[in-house]
Amino acid sequence: GAVVSQHPSRVICKSGTSVKIECRSLDFQATTMFWYRQFPKQSLMLMATSNEGSKATYEQGVEKDKFLINHASLTLSTLTVTSAHPEDSSFYICSASLAGGSSPLHFGNGTRLTVT
Amino acid sequence: RKEVEQDPGPFNVPEGATVAFNCTYSNSASQSFFWYRQDCRKEPKLLMSVYSSGNEDGRFTAQLNRASQYISLLIRDSKLSDSATYLCVVNWGGSNYKLTFGKGTLLTVNP
Repeated sequence: GAVVSQHPSRVICKSGTSVKIECRSLDFQATTMFWYRQFPKQSLMLMATSNEGSKATYEQGVEKDKFLINHASLTLSTLTVTSAHPEDSSFYICSASLAGGSSPLHFGNGTRLTVT
Repeated sequence: RKEVEQDPGPFNVPEGATVAFNCTYSNSASQSFFWYRQDCRKEPKLLMSVYSSGNEDGRFTAQLNRASQYISLLIRDSKLSDSATYLCVVNWGGSNYKLTFGKGTLLTVNP
């Protein structure tokens, strides 16, 4: 069964509004979660590393003030896309590892964001 | 140079065929390697980890050549349900590791 749950799976919003995406680890604690974005026919690109109880670490070129990450508990990380624009339309996926280190990641089911 | 490069594909094969996917990576310090499959408009799902000694899981065989920085995935007796995009994934290492994904190779298995 799923080990990482993501919600919502699909959202359509108007340009200028904000959207919050939730990522939950199921039956395990995740001190670190990862947020990825995937554009059509492109590879997954890491946006940021979400750390429980501390600030997220953003990849180069990702605006931290636009993509707000909060990891307030060991089982929940949220990504808020603020002032969304059509170019933010993408597939956003979170992930976590059961064991950390070099263990493989498990992904949430993803959120398809469409900004009109 | 791209960090993880895969066959561009797409691959179209008949049921029962054997298919091979190739992947190269640029960072010689890479520590762990995986193959994921991604169905259309879905999240990636782990197919198998890749070990230096090579490993097999049913019809799937993964190989790693560290000297050549090359990873492969072989699917034997392909099924219709194998149709998906196959992603080569590399971990640069460290406890707060970051995975780098290839663009993926689309496989379509035809009846």
